[in-house]
Amino acid sequence: KAGVTQTPRYLIKTRGQQVTLSCSPISGHRSVSWYQQTPGQGLQFLFEYFSETQRNKGNFPGRFSGRQFSNSRSEMNVSTLELGDSALYLCASRRGPGIAGEQFFGPGTRLTVL
Amino acid sequence: GENVEQHPSTLSVQEGDSAVIKCTYSDSASNYFPWYKQELGKGPQLIIDIRSNVGEKKDQRIAVTLNKTAKHFSLHITETQPEDSAVYFCAASKPDNTDKLIFGTGTRLQVFP
Repeated sequence: KAGVTQTPRYLIKTRGQQVTLSCSPISGHRSVSWYQQTPGQGLQFLFEYFSETQRNKGNFPGRFSGRQFSNSRSEMNVSTLELGDSALYLCASRRGPGIAGEQFFGPGTRLTVL
Repeated sequence: GENVEQHPSTLSVQEGDSAVIKCTYSDSASNYFPWYKQELGKGPQLIIDIRSNVGEKKDQRIAVTLNKTAKHFSLHITETQPEDSAVYFCAASKPDNTDKLIFGTGTRLQVFP
């Protein structure tokens, strides 16, 4: 069974640009969550999608957005990039909401903003 | 707000020794407590989890204990091996029908041969 895949794995952008990251969940998983990981702030929840609907959102500015498609694949977008957006962006999938259970993480996309 | 504190931030042990990592959570409504292991260049991997209706859970060399009254939970690794070297994260979530995990700040475990 293939794991969670994220593309691209590495990305370099400059301030002011925008970026789109992609996540393909494990087959059969319909819930996708995104996390930002930085040395200073650790792992922080960005948002969660289920059935193409955003069900929960973390404390990030509106420059961070996401969406989910009917095949459960998800994308997140960051507009007007800032230096502080440099981070590892992780996607996690699970079968669906309900009783909290195992989330499977992808390898992440390493975003560097210059 | 929701918060999970994790200690220590770094831990060095000799191969064969035990390692203990401790976490404290702030929200008494939390009921699910997973532990993740993250190796260099990889995403976090779940190694063990516990729910609030259980006090202890074991899986081979790994065990997790939960004290709901004190809002503490701990990861115990026995007979450590060099391949156990990684960053370990604890997390907590509430039964509010979301996937939101609140993570601790991580513990870098080094096991010396």
